[in-house]
Amino acid sequence: KQEVTQIPAALSVPEGENLVLNCSFTDSAIYNLQWFRQDPGKGLTSLLLIQSSQREQTSGRLNASLDKSSGRSTLYIAASQPGDSATYLCALDWGNKLTFGTGTQLKVEL
Amino acid sequence: DAMVIQNPRYQVTQFGKPVTLSCSQTLNHNVMYWYQQKSSQAPKLLFHYYDKDFNNEADTPDNFQSRRPNTSFCFLDIRSPGLGDAAMYLCATSRGRTGAGQETQYFGPGTRLLVL
Repeated sequence: KQEVTQIPAALSVPEGENLVLNCSFTDSAIYNLQWFRQDPGKGLTSLLLIQSSQREQTSGRLNASLDKSSGRSTLYIAASQPGDSATYLCALDWGNKLTFGTGTQLKVEL
Repeated sequence: DAMVIQNPRYQVTQFGKPVTLSCSQTLNHNVMYWYQQKSSQAPKLLFHYYDKDFNNEADTPDNFQSRRPNTSFCFLDIRSPGLGDAAMYLCATSRGRTGAGQETQYFGPGTRLLVL
């Protein structure tokens, strides 16, 4: 069964900290992995997409890595800001649809 | 510059009263998706259209139907809403199908459905 797990479910950090969000999955035969951001009561915004053949992608202060052999992806956020507060979801494409994790709710405090 | 538009943003309906949610896109994408997201849960795919080709997920209840009259619009019809159908409904689009390589999905802001 193809499952996606995100731990922790919630995380609170002070402004300026570097942090890592985790995503683990059970089947390494993926096409790609995406990280999304969801603000309260809003839709999802795609942050980064990593193809199966890639190891990482970077966009500004965000860096996402992919290790298929261990079934893990991480989203690294550098120098966190209060505006980064949101829920971050990873989603895997196993060739038929996106399967989402339940997300990590991040709060960056002043 | 809105690319995926969902109307209304909030919808209140009565138990058993049919309701229709609307999604439109300006991206001219081939694929449109409907997801259901309950509180603190992951989005769950209900169905998708590839052009006019309708693809239903095996575990989507019969109570949920969809229509895509043209490339730009897609509707979600809930024939007899129950209390358990209260959720955020997200519409998304992509140029091609998942599994095709680099297919990012673009999401609308969602419609929050409340069933009384």
